[in-house]
Amino acid sequence: ETGVTQSPTHLIKTRGQQVTLRCSSQSGHNTVSWYQQALGQGPQFIFQYYREEENGRGNFPPRFSGLQFPNYSSELNVNALELDDSALYLCASSPRLGQGVEAFFGQGTRLTVV
Amino acid sequence: SQQGEEDPQALSIQEGENATMNCSYKTSINNLQWYRQNSGRGLVHLILIRSNEREKHSGRLRVTLDTSKKSSSLLITASRAADTASYFCATEPYNTDKLIFGTGTRLQVFP
Repeated sequence: ETGVTQSPTHLIKTRGQQVTLRCSSQSGHNTVSWYQQALGQGPQFIFQYYREEENGRGNFPPRFSGLQFPNYSSELNVNALELDDSALYLCASSPRLGQGVEAFFGQGTRLTVV
Repeated sequence: SQQGEEDPQALSIQEGENATMNCSYKTSINNLQWYRQNSGRGLVHLILIRSNEREKHSGRLRVTLDTSKKSSSLLITASRAADTASYFCATEPYNTDKLIFGTGTRLQVFP
């Protein structure tokens, strides 16, 4: 166990709906990154938050948005869900910014859009 | 888009055999990391190798990095059934601290 918890573990939504996924980072970690992993693929970087500010974004549309709270927990929001948004969403926390810093992953939220 | 390609996509071996997985990537990197994932769950960090290193060991794991060929390999020696999982390489390009993952290798170790 990494100490990073995500909720819910599974979720089914209808196309066009909105969803919020939550991540509680490991104690002492101030950096959270979100990844989308489609079935059979590697994780793809969505965005990163450092001390409540977005610190980089991958190639995802604006309907993917996030927040980081003062306790460093984080949310991923996806609006206007599409079928292709069905994936495992992974949150990773790190103790600080910078290269070569180990990322600790949660168990993920499996989102199914029907 | 994925940074790297992993080879093979799937690998089946018997317990006790060695497993070798290869990763190729596209851009200059600061470091390369290997992660393990059990059955679509969270990823677990295995080992990190920096761009100025050529080989690194951790227990039964051996990682090599060839920056001239933009490739890395992960060797698991004396494999066990519990090693059954998907293995991903992830790079940190020079200009960012974001991880870019490869496509993964699914390893099956039979008892």
